[in-house]
Amino acid sequence: NAGVTQTPKFQVLKTGQSMTLQCAQDMNHEYMSWYRQDPGMGLRLIHYSVGAGITDQGEVPNGYNVSRSTTEDFPLRLLSAAPSQTSVYFCASSYSPNGEKLFFGSGTQLSVL
Amino acid sequence: SQKIEQNSEALNIQEGKTATLTCNYTNYSPAYLQWYRQDPGRGPVFLLLIRENEKEKRKERLKVTFDTTLKQSLFHITASQPADSATYLCALETTDSWGKLQFGAGTQVVVTP
Repeated sequence: NAGVTQTPKFQVLKTGQSMTLQCAQDMNHEYMSWYRQDPGMGLRLIHYSVGAGITDQGEVPNGYNVSRSTTEDFPLRLLSAAPSQTSVYFCASSYSPNGEKLFFGSGTQLSVL
Repeated sequence: SQKIEQNSEALNIQEGKTATLTCNYTNYSPAYLQWYRQDPGRGPVFLLLIRENEKEKRKERLKVTFDTTLKQSLFHITASQPADSATYLCALETTDSWGKLQFGAGTQVVVTP
């Protein structure tokens, strides 16, 4: 099993550009989420999904969109990149949204110039 | 406001000693508390989960305690090894925020031979 796969691993964008960070899991997990990690700060939840067709906002959703058309995939879209979105992004999944351990991807390091 | 606090200073410890990490929280009533390990350039990896009605959990050389009165969890690594060097994150989930695991910023542990 590959687990949680994120692509790309690194990305550089110019301010105003848009892009999609890909996330796929092969564990048939219902719950998937996106976090960003900045130096000196904890992981902050951007968006999450408890199943195909169901998404909700986390702590820092502004500037990001998500959709969940299949159980396996949960892409994160940056609509118009800003320097404040420079961060490391992690996708995670689990069997259910409560009381279960999260499986994380290896991360995407994004720089917005 | 809700806060999760972990010691931001790195913990330097000699091989064979016990490392003890602290996770303090305010304005939370967590149902679950989890600990993760994160190595540089990688996603967090789950270590232990403890429920609000549990006082202590063990896994091999790891021990977690959970004191809801003190609003604190302690994470112990006994007989520490250089391979235990990493950043350790605590995370909370409450009954009114399923799917929204909140993370602390983490504490770096450095084990020297």
